[in-house]
Amino acid sequence: DSGVTQTPKHLITATGQRVTLRCSPRSGDLSVYWYQQSLDQGLQFLIQYYNGEERAKGNILERFSAQQFPDLHSELNLSSLELGDSALYFCASSVDPPPSTEQFFGPGTRLTVL
Amino acid sequence: DQQVKQNSPSLSVQEGRISILNCDYTNSMFDYFLWYKKYPAEGPTFLISISSIKDKNEDGRFTVFLNKSAKHLSLHIVPSQPGDSAVYFCAATSSEIYGQNFVFGPGTRLSVLP
Repeated sequence: DSGVTQTPKHLITATGQRVTLRCSPRSGDLSVYWYQQSLDQGLQFLIQYYNGEERAKGNILERFSAQQFPDLHSELNLSSLELGDSALYFCASSVDPPPSTEQFFGPGTRLTVL
Repeated sequence: DQQVKQNSPSLSVQEGRISILNCDYTNSMFDYFLWYKKYPAEGPTFLISISSIKDKNEDGRFTVFLNKSAKHLSLHIVPSQPGDSAVYFCAATSSEIYGQNFVFGPGTRLSVLP
């Protein structure tokens, strides 16, 4: 158990809908990262927050947004969903920003868009 | 353009033998590398890291070798055990680029046969 929790574990929805994925980092970790893993693909970095502020953006679509709240939990919002958004979404946390610190990953949320 | 490549999607090794997983990168600014292991239905877990000031780092049965001139790193597992069967991701980042996050390879699925 990494100490990072993600809810829900599974989510099935329809195209055009909007969903919210939630992540609670390890106690004491200030950085939260979101990754997307499509079928047989590597982990694609989406976005990072550090202590409530956006620090880095990766390949995140404009239909996606995220935020980190004062209690350090984070939410990833996915809107106008398309079939291609079906993937595993991982949240990770670390004490400091990279590069020197390993990231601890949650178990992921599997999103299926029908 | 894949900056981190793991050209072998899968690898099978006999229990007790050596497993060698390879990773190549294209960005010469990458100076910190990690290996993660991922079991099904779980998030990736950190295995071992190496900084570009070293060419080898060892932790128990796991050793990572870095060849900067070839932009190549490898993970050696000796001896391999059935519990090592998992997907292994190589990741790289640069300490020189503000906000640079880890870039992950597509992963190699290792099967250790009893």
